[in-house]
Amino acid sequence: AQTVTQSQPEMSVQEAETVTLSCTYDTSESNYYLFWYKQPPSRQMILVIRQEAYKQQNATENRFSVNFQKAAKSFSLKISDSQLGDTAMYFCALSPLYGGSQGNLIFGKGTKLSVKP
Amino acid sequence: ETGVTQTPRHLVMGMTNKKSLKCEQHLGHNAMYWYKQSAKKPLELMFVYNFKEQTENNSVPSRFSPECPNSSHLFLHLHTLQPEDSALYLCASSQGGGSYNEQFFGPGTRLTVL
Repeated sequence: AQTVTQSQPEMSVQEAETVTLSCTYDTSESNYYLFWYKQPPSRQMILVIRQEAYKQQNATENRFSVNFQKAAKSFSLKISDSQLGDTAMYFCALSPLYGGSQGNLIFGKGTKLSVKP
Repeated sequence: ETGVTQTPRHLVMGMTNKKSLKCEQHLGHNAMYWYKQSAKKPLELMFVYNFKEQTENNSVPSRFSPECPNSSHLFLHLHTLQPEDSALYLCASSQGGGSYNEQFFGPGTRLTVL
Protein backbone atom coordinates (compact mmCIF):
# COMPACT_ATOMS: atom_id res chain seq x y z
CA ALA A 1 0.00 0.00 0.00
CA GLN A 2 1.10 3.55 -0.67
CA THR A 3 0.89 5.99 2.18
CA VAL A 4 1.68 9.62 2.91
CA THR A 5 2.44 10.80 6.44
CA GLN A 6 2.41 14.36 7.71
CA SER A 7 3.61 14.25 11.30
CA GLN A 8 2.81 17.86 12.21
CA PRO A 9 -0.95 18.36 12.65
CA GLU A 10 -0.52 22.07 13.40
CA MET A 11 2.22 24.65 13.07
CA SER A 12 2.50 28.38 13.45
CA VAL A 13 4.98 30.94 12.17
CA GLN A 14 5.47 34.66 12.48
CA GLU A 15 4.86 36.78 9.43
CA ALA A 16 8.00 37.19 7.29
CA GLU A 17 9.73 34.16 8.82
CA THR A 18 10.45 30.78 7.27
CA VAL A 19 8.66 27.54 8.07
CA THR A 20 9.15 23.95 6.94
CA LEU A 21 6.37 21.38 6.74
CA SER A 22 7.33 17.72 6.82
CA CYS A 23 6.07 14.87 4.67
CA THR A 24 7.20 11.28 4.34
CA TYR A 25 5.76 8.68 2.05
CA ASP A 26 5.94 5.03 1.26
CA THR A 27 5.70 3.49 -2.18
CA SER A 28 7.24 0.59 -4.02
CA GLU A 29 7.05 2.50 -7.29
CA SER A 30 10.22 4.03 -8.71
CA ASN A 31 8.46 6.71 -10.72
CA TYR A 32 5.88 9.03 -9.25
CA TYR A 33 5.00 12.65 -8.66
CA LEU A 34 4.74 14.47 -5.37
CA PHE A 35 2.56 17.47 -4.68
CA TRP A 36 1.82 20.04 -2.05
CA TYR A 37 -1.73 21.37 -2.08
CA LYS A 38 -3.02 24.28 -0.03
CA GLN A 39 -6.59 24.61 1.31
CA PRO A 40 -7.24 28.08 2.76
CA PRO A 41 -10.11 28.43 5.26
CA SER A 42 -13.43 28.09 3.41
CA ARG A 43 -11.70 28.26 0.05
CA GLN A 44 -10.79 25.85 -2.68
CA MET A 45 -7.77 23.58 -2.60
CA ILE A 46 -5.04 24.71 -4.98
CA LEU A 47 -1.72 23.29 -6.11
CA VAL A 48 1.33 24.89 -4.50
CA ILE A 49 4.17 22.92 -6.02
CA ARG A 50 4.94 19.59 -7.68
CA GLN A 51 8.06 17.42 -7.96
CA GLU A 52 8.89 14.66 -10.40
CA ALA A 53 10.59 11.80 -8.59
CA TYR A 54 13.09 11.14 -11.36
CA LYS A 55 14.36 14.73 -11.16
CA GLN A 56 16.98 15.34 -8.50
CA GLN A 57 16.65 19.10 -8.61
CA ASN A 58 14.28 20.44 -5.99
CA ALA A 59 11.25 22.30 -7.33
CA THR A 60 10.73 25.97 -6.45
CA GLU A 61 7.79 28.31 -6.99
CA ASN A 62 8.52 31.84 -5.78
CA ARG A 63 8.53 31.67 -1.95
CA PHE A 64 7.78 27.93 -1.93
CA SER A 65 10.45 25.27 -2.32
CA VAL A 66 10.79 21.61 -1.54
CA ASN A 67 13.51 19.41 -0.12
CA PHE A 68 13.09 16.11 -1.89
CA GLN A 69 15.10 13.20 -0.49
CA LYS A 70 14.17 10.17 -2.59
CA ALA A 71 16.16 7.59 -0.66
CA ALA A 72 14.66 8.76 2.61
CA LYS A 73 11.21 9.11 0.99
CA SER A 74 10.94 12.60 2.37
CA PHE A 75 9.33 15.63 0.71
CA SER A 76 9.27 18.74 2.90
CA LEU A 77 7.86 22.14 1.95
CA LYS A 78 9.66 25.35 2.86
CA ILE A 79 7.76 28.62 2.87
CA SER A 80 9.97 31.69 2.96
CA ASP A 81 8.87 35.19 3.97
CA SER A 82 5.57 33.83 5.30
CA GLN A 83 2.51 35.95 4.61
CA LEU A 84 -0.87 36.08 6.32
CA GLY A 85 -2.41 34.62 3.16
CA ASP A 86 -0.35 31.48 3.64
CA THR A 87 -2.61 30.49 6.54
CA ALA A 88 -4.19 27.23 5.36
CA MET A 89 -4.22 23.46 5.56
CA TYR A 90 -1.35 22.02 3.57
CA PHE A 91 -1.63 18.54 2.11
CA CYS A 92 1.20 16.44 0.79
CA ALA A 93 0.18 13.99 -1.96
CA LEU A 94 1.73 11.20 -4.00
CA SER A 95 0.70 10.11 -7.49
CA PRO A 96 2.26 6.99 -9.00
CA LEU A 97 3.01 6.90 -12.71
CA TYR A 98 2.21 3.24 -13.14
CA GLY A 99 0.13 0.54 -11.62
CA GLY A 100 -3.46 0.40 -10.53
CA SER A 101 -3.30 3.77 -8.80
CA GLN A 102 -1.75 5.57 -11.74
CA GLY A 103 -2.77 9.20 -11.78
CA ASN A 104 -4.59 9.01 -8.45
CA LEU A 105 -3.62 11.29 -5.61
CA ILE A 106 -2.83 9.71 -2.24
CA PHE A 107 -3.03 12.38 0.43
CA GLY A 108 -1.62 12.86 3.91
CA LYS A 109 -3.79 14.08 6.77
CA GLY A 110 -2.61 17.64 6.38
CA THR A 111 -0.81 20.27 8.44
CA LYS A 112 -2.71 23.32 9.63
CA LEU A 113 -0.42 26.33 9.27
CA SER A 114 -1.20 29.61 11.00
CA VAL A 115 0.78 32.71 10.09
CA LYS A 116 0.71 35.25 12.92
CA PRO A 117 1.13 39.00 12.45
CA GLU B 1 -18.59 30.52 -14.00
CA THR B 2 -14.97 29.53 -13.98
CA GLY B 3 -13.02 26.57 -12.67
CA VAL B 4 -14.86 23.83 -10.83
CA THR B 5 -18.23 24.53 -9.25
CA GLN B 6 -20.23 22.40 -6.86
CA THR B 7 -23.85 22.59 -5.75
CA PRO B 8 -25.24 22.66 -3.21
CA ARG B 9 -22.57 24.07 -0.92
CA HIS B 10 -24.34 22.76 2.17
CA LEU B 11 -26.75 19.85 2.52
CA VAL B 12 -28.53 18.39 5.53
CA MET B 13 -30.38 15.16 4.98
CA GLY B 14 -32.02 12.39 6.92
CA MET B 15 -30.94 8.81 6.66
CA THR B 16 -33.91 7.90 4.47
CA ASN B 17 -33.58 10.79 2.01
CA LYS B 18 -32.30 10.70 -1.55
CA LYS B 19 -30.25 13.63 -2.76
CA SER B 20 -27.67 14.40 -5.41
CA LEU B 21 -24.47 16.44 -5.45
CA LYS B 22 -23.52 18.19 -8.66
CA CYS B 23 -20.12 19.15 -9.99
CA GLU B 24 -19.35 21.09 -13.15
CA GLN B 25 -15.97 21.97 -14.59
CA HIS B 26 -15.44 24.81 -17.07
CA LEU B 27 -11.81 23.96 -17.87
CA GLY B 28 -12.19 21.56 -20.78
CA HIS B 29 -10.75 18.71 -18.74
CA ASN B 30 -11.26 15.01 -19.43
CA ALA B 31 -10.97 13.49 -15.98
CA MET B 32 -13.17 14.10 -12.94
CA TYR B 33 -12.95 12.88 -9.36
CA TRP B 34 -14.98 12.61 -6.16
CA TYR B 35 -13.21 12.81 -2.81
CA LYS B 36 -14.45 12.56 0.76
CA GLN B 37 -12.78 14.85 3.31
CA SER B 38 -13.37 13.98 6.96
CA ALA B 39 -11.81 15.67 9.95
CA LYS B 40 -8.39 14.31 10.95
CA LYS B 41 -8.31 11.84 8.04
CA PRO B 42 -6.59 12.01 4.67
CA LEU B 43 -8.72 12.88 1.67
CA GLU B 44 -10.25 9.67 0.40
CA LEU B 45 -10.58 9.15 -3.33
CA MET B 46 -14.02 7.74 -4.08
CA PHE B 47 -14.48 7.67 -7.85
CA VAL B 48 -12.55 8.58 -10.98
CA TYR B 49 -13.96 9.19 -14.44
CA ASN B 50 -11.76 9.48 -17.51
CA PHE B 51 -13.49 10.51 -20.73
CA LYS B 52 -16.85 9.71 -19.05
CA GLU B 53 -15.75 6.16 -18.23
CA GLN B 54 -15.42 5.16 -14.59
CA THR B 55 -11.85 4.02 -14.02
CA GLU B 56 -11.79 3.84 -10.25
CA ASN B 57 -14.25 2.82 -7.58
CA ASN B 58 -12.35 2.88 -4.35
CA SER B 59 -14.47 0.34 -2.44
CA VAL B 60 -17.19 2.89 -1.90
CA PRO B 61 -20.49 1.67 -0.38
CA SER B 62 -23.33 1.31 -2.86
CA ARG B 63 -25.32 4.03 -1.09
CA PHE B 64 -23.06 6.39 -3.09
CA SER B 65 -23.75 6.24 -6.82
CA PRO B 66 -21.77 8.37 -9.29
CA GLU B 67 -22.91 9.51 -12.70
CA CYS B 68 -20.89 11.24 -15.41
CA PRO B 69 -23.14 12.15 -18.37
CA ASN B 70 -20.38 14.12 -20.13
CA SER B 71 -16.85 15.34 -19.50
CA SER B 72 -18.05 18.54 -17.87
CA HIS B 73 -20.55 17.19 -15.36
CA LEU B 74 -20.30 14.77 -12.48
CA PHE B 75 -22.99 13.77 -10.01
CA LEU B 76 -22.96 11.86 -6.77
CA HIS B 77 -26.33 10.34 -5.94
CA LEU B 78 -26.92 9.66 -2.27
CA HIS B 79 -29.46 7.35 -0.64
CA THR B 80 -29.94 5.82 2.81
CA LEU B 81 -26.78 7.43 4.13
CA GLN B 82 -25.35 6.94 7.61
CA PRO B 83 -24.27 9.65 10.08
CA GLU B 84 -20.63 8.66 9.49
CA ASP B 85 -21.06 9.78 5.89
CA SER B 86 -21.16 13.38 7.11
CA ALA B 87 -18.14 15.08 5.55
CA LEU B 88 -16.99 17.58 2.96
CA TYR B 89 -17.31 16.10 -0.53
CA LEU B 90 -14.87 17.53 -3.00
CA CYS B 91 -14.99 17.31 -6.76
CA ALA B 92 -11.88 17.78 -8.87
CA SER B 93 -10.95 17.69 -12.53
CA SER B 94 -7.75 17.35 -14.53
CA GLN B 95 -6.58 17.37 -18.13
CA GLY B 96 -6.35 13.62 -18.55
CA GLY B 97 -5.83 11.13 -15.77
CA GLY B 98 -2.04 11.10 -15.83
CA SER B 99 0.06 11.52 -12.72
CA TYR B 100 1.60 14.80 -13.82
CA ASN B 101 -1.69 16.55 -14.28
CA GLU B 102 -2.69 19.09 -11.68
CA GLN B 103 -6.10 18.48 -10.22
CA PHE B 104 -8.37 21.50 -9.86
CA PHE B 105 -10.75 21.31 -6.94
CA GLY B 106 -14.21 22.68 -6.34
CA PRO B 107 -15.25 24.36 -3.08
CA GLY B 108 -16.96 21.23 -1.83
CA THR B 109 -20.38 20.28 -0.49
CA ARG B 110 -20.63 20.13 3.30
CA LEU B 111 -22.93 17.16 3.95
CA THR B 112 -24.58 16.48 7.29
CA VAL B 113 -26.53 13.25 7.76
CA LEU B 114 -28.92 13.28 10.68
